[in-house]
Amino acid sequence: EIVLTQPPGTLSLSPGERATLSCRASQNVPGNWLAWYQQKPGQAPRLLIYAASSRATGIPDRFSGSGSGTNFFLSISRLEPDDFATYYCQQYGSSPRTFGQGTKVEI
Amino acid sequence: EVQLLESGGGLVQPGGSLRLSCAASGFSFSGYAMSWVRQAPGKGLEWVADISGNGGNTYHVDSVKGRFTISRDKSQNTLYLQMNSLRVDDTAVYYCAKVPKLTCSGGTCYLDSWGRGTLVIVSS
Repeated sequence: EIVLTQPPGTLSLSPGERATLSCRASQNVPGNWLAWYQQKPGQAPRLLIYAASSRATGIPDRFSGSGSGTNFFLSISRLEPDDFATYYCQQYGSSPRTFGQGTKVEI
Repeated sequence: EVQLLESGGGLVQPGGSLRLSCAASGFSFSGYAMSWVRQAPGKGLEWVADISGNGGNTYHVDSVKGRFTISRDKSQNTLYLQMNSLRVDDTAVYYCAKVPKLTCSGGTCYLDSWGRGTLVIVSS
């Protein structure tokens, strides 16, 4: 099973700042098949990025994904108030599909 | 617009059963694989099960294998999760989610639409 680690658990930033979130895999993610989701309290997750760097439909271009192998990143170029949420990575290159434990981006 | 509406959650005693349903609309239901993902209170996400568009291929995570069964009814555009022998650690919000392809394999098994979830509480 591929274990995904997302340090730190909480990231404290201000609106307008750049956020860089990390997702580390315990072994290479086949095909770099990695997705990122955003979740706000009381809401379902929303797909942001798939295939490590492809933006999902309707996602603003201030969100970008990068990385390969065992190290992946989600960048938010200029934080807006609506971006403060918890972000999860998920690998789907091998079974079982696994999620990271999440990084909360707070003000 | 894709819409996924879960139902069937509630309070159940350990050892009991529940069947969750997910009514799908806004897309060709049989053309896409579907999944159940759960989130225990205050915790992260866990992939529980998935099923191909034609229902012929299913996957269940080891922790629920033999207790939970995913299925789908194309005539009703509905996804199901039959949960038997429930345990306290099955307590979670259960989300229904859509895979963007017919099968969940290789580079296709991410989730592009999610329902709002239904809460299952297993407690005596």
